[in-house]
Amino acid sequence: DTAVSQTPKYLVTQMGNDKSIKCEQNLGHDTMYWYKQDSKKFLKIMFSYNNKELIINETVPNRFSPKSPDKAHLNLHINSLELGDSAVYFCASSQERRGTNEKLFFGSGTQLSVL
Amino acid sequence: LAKTTQPISMDSYEGQEVNITCSHNNIATNDYITWYQQFPSQGPRFIIQGYKTKVTNEVASLFIPADRKSSTLSLPRVSLSDTAVYYCLVAADNYGQNFVFGPGTRLSVLP
Repeated sequence: DTAVSQTPKYLVTQMGNDKSIKCEQNLGHDTMYWYKQDSKKFLKIMFSYNNKELIINETVPNRFSPKSPDKAHLNLHINSLELGDSAVYFCASSQERRGTNEKLFFGSGTQLSVL
Repeated sequence: LAKTTQPISMDSYEGQEVNITCSHNNIATNDYITWYQQFPSQGPRFIIQGYKTKVTNEVASLFIPADRKSSTLSLPRVSLSDTAVYYCLVAADNYGQNFVFGPGTRLSVLP
């Protein structure tokens, strides 16, 4: 069984569209994240949720809205897609109390291409 | 940007020991040093983490000098399947502006 699974694997869409990426973890972890990896391979955090509560939002445009229906799921909805949103988006989870540095478990990524 | 510096790429042959050094001159007192491995079309995978001295697990060893301004990931007897990008990460926790993976070191293991 895949520990952290995200769908779709690839997403090709036009500018201005709205799209969602889904993520689920079966590890029983309390914290989930969304990361963005750009073309230079820099991977930066976007959001972090702990037990369905948003605990960080790293200067991400309002067009990006995470939704956590329960602690095993963290979905990412993107409105009015722009060319600069093209990147690989990774979901991750960790069993973590705030302020710790426990290992992250990543999904396999969603390659988003905005045309 | 990530506050670490690593070589962009390294080549090695099967069976050799590989050492990848990461510089982090501005490491803070409460920062940990963590290494991740990433294969193409996959997410990063945790390898090892340390705070000071030496840490060893079934996959690798991590050497951290007393001043903690650098660290070295050591992979014993690499195989072709160790070909990947290796990231050195310095952060106090898993979120926040310091948690940035840089471009990493692309290790190519040759037969």
